[in-house]
Formats: sequence, structure tokens, C-alpha cells
Amino acid sequence: ETGVTQTPRHLVMGMTNKKSLKCEQHLGHNAMYWYKQSAKKPLELMFVYNFKEQTENNSVPSRFSPECPNSSHLFLHLHTLQPEDSALYLCASSQVSSPGQGVPQDQYFGPGTRLLVL
Amino acid sequence: AQSVAQPEDQVNVAEGNPLTVKCTYSVSGNPYLFWYVQYPNRGLQFLLKYITGDNLVKGSYGFEAEFNKSQTSFHLKKPSALVSDSALYFCAVRGESGGSYIPTFGRGTSLIVHP
Repeated sequence: ETGVTQTPRHLVMGMTNKKSLKCEQHLGHNAMYWYKQSAKKPLELMFVYNFKEQTENNSVPSRFSPECPNSSHLFLHLHTLQPEDSALYLCASSQVSSPGQGVPQDQYFGPGTRLLVL
Repeated sequence: AQSVAQPEDQVNVAEGNPLTVKCTYSVSGNPYLFWYVQYPNRGLQFLLKYITGDNLVKGSYGFEAEFNKSQTSFHLKKPSALVSDSALYFCAVRGESGGSYIPTFGRGTSLIVHP
């Protein structure tokens, strides 16, 4: 594995449930990301935390709520999801010098959480 | 805005034959280009990147990619495919200036290598 862990690996939830996805990176990076991966669609960036501050939110519905308590941990809180939210949710981390500056460093991805919303 | 196109959903190749997975991009200014691979039940793994310099970039597992500025392409290649190369491959791009500092990914191309 790449130093980024995600739990749980699989999750089945009803539309009225509340659940949370957890991501932890052991690489000393200062930026963390949530992506949504659906079949035959581009990888969708959902949220970015840089130096623990949320710097991007790509028009994600409010039923997804991120939390970054420190530079090593990232959560995605889920509430009243829809069946179309079923997907693989990937967490990633990287080291950034400052937003928008310099050569982008490689992102390290976790194995993902496979989410099924019934 | 920056964007990536991977025109093929799937590429099939026989083991031992050369393989090419295509990627074209659109970006303001000079591009930074990446290839990632995703094996079943795993996250994406970095393969290689182009920042500047030689147009031919060598990466992990014997893969290489050729940057072609006039064609705005960054195709992934390998001289001799292995069955174990079967996976999902993602191209990503970020512009040197302007726009988001985070790479934009394509939709992925499934590579299937037949024994």
C-alpha cells in the first residue's frame, strides 16, 4: 500500500443513514483530497484540504460533509445519500509548497471505500 | 480550464506485443502531465510524469510516455505487454499557470492484456 489507508473498505447504507468515511495518511503530507470514482467517468475531485484549510469544494451536494481535524486525518460524513451516490470514494494526499505554485507533486491514493446506497 | 481526454474505454493487446494508451489534453500554458494506474481493489498508483525536458519520459514497470506539444498528446507506451499490466490507466494534466493547482484526471482506459 502507498501509506494512505481508508476505512471502511466497503459500505452499504440506506438513504436515511448517517455514516462516515475515514482516511489517514502516514506520509507527512500537508494536503488531502476526496475523489469520487464512477465507472467510465473522469475521476471527480470533491474536496481539498491544504494545510488543514478547505481550499476547494467542487459544487458537491451538502449531503457530503468533509472534516479535517489534523494534517493526517480526513473524514467524509455522509447523510441522506441517494442511490446515484454509489461509487468508489478515494482519498489522496500530497505535499504542496503553496497553492498554485511550483511543480505539482505526485498524489498518493488510498484503496478507496466502495459505497452502495440502497 | 484544463481537461484531459482518454478516447478509448478499453484497449486489448496480446501479451508480448507493444501497447499504447492514448491521452490528449487542453491547458493554459505549459502542461504538467501524469499517468496513474489502478489495479483491481486498489487506489491509483503514480506511474510517471512530464514536467519539462525530454519528451520521452520513463516510469515504473517498464512504461514510458511521449509528450507531443504540437498534438497536445501524452500517450502511454510499453514495448512488450504483460498480463499483469491489465489494469485501469488514468491520465492527468495541470497547467503551469492559471486555473487549479490540482491535476484534472481523465475517465480512465481499461487495458486488457491477453495471454
